[in-house]
Amino acid sequence: GAVVSQHPSRVICKSGTSVKIECRSLDFQATTMFWYRQFPKQSLMLMATSNEGSKATYEQGVEKDKFLINHASLTLSTLTVTSAHPEDSSFYICSATSPYSGDVLTFGAGSRLTVL
Amino acid sequence: GDSVTQMEGPVTLSEEAFLTINCTYTATGYPSLFWYVQYPGEGLQLLLKATKADDKGSNKGFEATYRKETTSFHLEKGSVQVSDSAVYFCALTDRGTGNQFYFGTGTSLTVIP
Repeated sequence: GAVVSQHPSRVICKSGTSVKIECRSLDFQATTMFWYRQFPKQSLMLMATSNEGSKATYEQGVEKDKFLINHASLTLSTLTVTSAHPEDSSFYICSATSPYSGDVLTFGAGSRLTVL
Repeated sequence: GDSVTQMEGPVTLSEEAFLTINCTYTATGYPSLFWYVQYPGEGLQLLLKATKADDKGSNKGFEATYRKETTSFHLEKGSVQVSDSAVYFCALTDRGTGNQFYFGTGTSLTVIP
């Protein structure tokens, strides 16, 4: 079945630095990818929707200059947290769909970001 | 707009007990309904799905039936195991609103031996 790989699974960085998280579809072409943020013991918050070859669509309240999303190919989307601060510490999860997977959303394993 | 309302947790059950996690939805179009499971420290995995009214999704002993008349998609399992301890999310995607996904708040289940 469809597999989405997310890397790194854990990252610790200093305040003020930037961190890039990669999301890859391993065995299918992902025309659409979604980035979620999950706070402890809470549900998923959709941050943005990225479509291959076009700009991401951000949800209300998400700073697009802080959370840069790039979906340059059908198998790779990246989320860059710029000038990270401790309040950006969270669990970030990507997911993907494609015209060939129907309406099933396939998730990556998530990336735990800790900003010191 | 579309939304999913899910039974709040946490839920604690003894092994072999019966599980029900309630989920109701609101949708303007033609939703597909899902249950996803999240084990500690991991992403979400699809547990089961149903794409139209009266469909029953099932997997690993879990079942849920798409009830259009009650706009519900309750998750059930007849005999839970310790390994079922996880967070369960009800979700929908609606072809009438561009296939965006909507998630419930999640229900944490702990099964004790």
